[in-house]
Amino acid sequence: ILNVEQSPQSLHVQEGDSTNFTCSFPSSNFYALHWYRWETAKSPEALFVMTLNGDEKKKGRISATLNTKEGYSYLYIKGSQPEDSATYLCAFSSGNTPLVFGKGTRLSVIA
Amino acid sequence: NAGVTQTPKFQVLKTGQSMTLQCAQDMNHEYMSWYRQDPGMGLRLIHYSVGAGITDQGEVPNGYNVSRSTTEDFPLRLLSAAPSQTSVYFCASSYHSDYYEQYFGPGTRLTVT
Repeated sequence: ILNVEQSPQSLHVQEGDSTNFTCSFPSSNFYALHWYRWETAKSPEALFVMTLNGDEKKKGRISATLNTKEGYSYLYIKGSQPEDSATYLCAFSSGNTPLVFGKGTRLSVIA
Repeated sequence: NAGVTQTPKFQVLKTGQSMTLQCAQDMNHEYMSWYRQDPGMGLRLIHYSVGAGITDQGEVPNGYNVSRSTTEDFPLRLLSAAPSQTSVYFCASSYHSDYYEQYFGPGTRLTVT
């Protein structure tokens, strides 16, 4: 089974702080890397799907980068707000196989 | 579009009972999957389907059956419920497993006593 690691497991930041977390995945047989945002008592929602080495994607204050050669992706949140509090999941695809999810980074933004 | 729907939202079963969790999508997605979410374990794949008539096992398939007779529906059947199957179950769908984002249903919270 492919291993997808996310760090840190949890994070507490003050409102207005910028923060980032990491997703590590196998660097061989890369097809795509997904990021999802998962609010408590809701279901995961897609943020980004990234496929190319060096890719950067942005949605509002959230952005992500991808390094397929070394097997990592960073998710950045600029100026964190309480509504950013959620678990952020990454998922790796090696092609024609189901996505493998990491266990997530749980972000709490304190007002 | 309703997206991905799941029923029921909550269910309590006794050990040994069987039941079916329903999942339907109206986006004409080929790929559908079932996950369970347990504390500290993230999302674990139970079964998946790449199209009508095709199903395969995921990471934790034991105790569960699936079928995919139509593109829209992907029910998950618990054969003989056990307390270890107490979990939150999510169904998801997408055009394909690789490049396309997955859409998740609202989840079913199952308790087995």
